[in-house]
Amino acid sequence: EPEVTQTPSHQVTQMGQEVILRCVPISNHLYFYWYRQILGQKVEFLVSFYNNEISEKSEIFDDQFSVERPDGSNFTLKIRSTKLEDSAMYFCASSSGDRGGQPQHFGDGTRLSIL
Amino acid sequence: AQSVAQPEDQVNVAEGNPLTVKCTYSVSGNPYLFWYVQYPNRGLQFLLKYITGDNLVKGSYGFEAEFNKSQTSFHLKKPSALVSDSALYFCAVRDRRNTDKLIFGTGTRLQVFP
Repeated sequence: EPEVTQTPSHQVTQMGQEVILRCVPISNHLYFYWYRQILGQKVEFLVSFYNNEISEKSEIFDDQFSVERPDGSNFTLKIRSTKLEDSAMYFCASSSGDRGGQPQHFGDGTRLSIL
Repeated sequence: AQSVAQPEDQVNVAEGNPLTVKCTYSVSGNPYLFWYVQYPNRGLQFLLKYITGDNLVKGSYGFEAEFNKSQTSFHLKKPSALVSDSALYFCAVRDRRNTDKLIFGTGTRLQVFP
């Protein structure tokens, strides 16, 4: 069964440094998402992306965050200048559609630890 | 504001017994409803969804969920629990109107004892 893959599985970064989290969505999916889960808290929506544009973003997704689909397979989340509170598990997801109730399929996540 | 409530942090059940994991939601209109399961060190795995139609939907691994519009609930059920069902279960909703985002509950840890 096709899977969403995320790399790295664990990223440790100094506060203030830039970090890029990488995702390879399921190959025939067109809608891409990032969510995060701070330890012990809910899974929270960050951003959705379609047709090379952000289609929706949450208030968490401020100017420090950006997303990109640099080629036909990768989907990245960049945090420009990391803060301690960015420490969380970041999940990438993809879907074949957005308006028909198609489920979002998640990767195993990247655990981001900011020191 | 849109929200999802999973009132139980943990549900304990003996293997072979039926299980129920509760979920209620507050979303205007008719939402899409989902259940996901998370095993240790893994991502969220899609179990089942309610879009429209029959209130009882069937999903993976013998799980089913019952949609109740009047009670705004979408409880996850399984007639006979397995030890391997032990995991963290998340209910999620999505407003049908012009949004992509899933809103998740806080999760319920299911522990099935042999």
